[in-house]
Amino acid sequence: EVQLVQSGAEVKKPGESLKISCKGSGYSFTSYWIGWVRQMPGKGLEWMGLIYPGDSDTRYSPSFRGQVTISADKSISTAYLQWSSLKASDTAMYYCARWRAPAGGDFWGQGTLVTVSS
Amino acid sequence: QPVLTQPPSASASLGASVTLTCTLSSGYSSCNVDWYQQRPGKGPRFVMRVGTGGILGSKGDGIPDRFSVLGSGLNRSLTIKNIQEEDEGDYHCGTDHGTGSSFVWVFGGGTKLTVL
Repeated sequence: EVQLVQSGAEVKKPGESLKISCKGSGYSFTSYWIGWVRQMPGKGLEWMGLIYPGDSDTRYSPSFRGQVTISADKSISTAYLQWSSLKASDTAMYYCARWRAPAGGDFWGQGTLVTVSS
Repeated sequence: QPVLTQPPSASASLGASVTLTCTLSSGYSSCNVDWYQQRPGKGPRFVMRVGTGGILGSKGDGIPDRFSVLGSGLNRSLTIKNIQEEDEGDYHCGTDHGTGSSFVWVFGGGTKLTVL
């Protein structure tokens, strides 16, 4: 069974750093892209970027390039999304998904809620 | 890059049928589109992928036969027959654009489906 399990909810202050994770199981982690998607409260889905864990090749949405860093550790089948300096506007639910580029995500994580507030 | 347009809301009575539309911007009539279901308080769930010839590949895990797709011109529609309460939620469409380092993925604004 394909599963993507994300790390738990986070509450941070503006300016702090954060790294959230997404652990894949039930399939060959290095053979599929992992995508990250943001959903701000009450809003739609926004694609942030992809990583191919096999060689760490990465793609970013122009809207998120330079704002976040996507990485992966294939030895533990885990992908990461990180911020160096959070803003209140980063408050959102973040989802990872197994991505079948050029098609989209076919299996999704449960989401990680990030709250940034002073 | 393509823009995907979805009506913000739709409604249907229990047991009825509804068609949700996802319209590609001009010039992108060959694009394939993925449909996702998002039940209240839950994460997205892959429904199926659609091109001009209809469904591409397999439906997502557990997606019932009541769900079907059609692709025509700039429209990529999702039809749900015999609507059940569990079908209520947001439906998102998305498509890819570009290759290699210029690859991007675009989502539509989503349609909120209410089951009456």
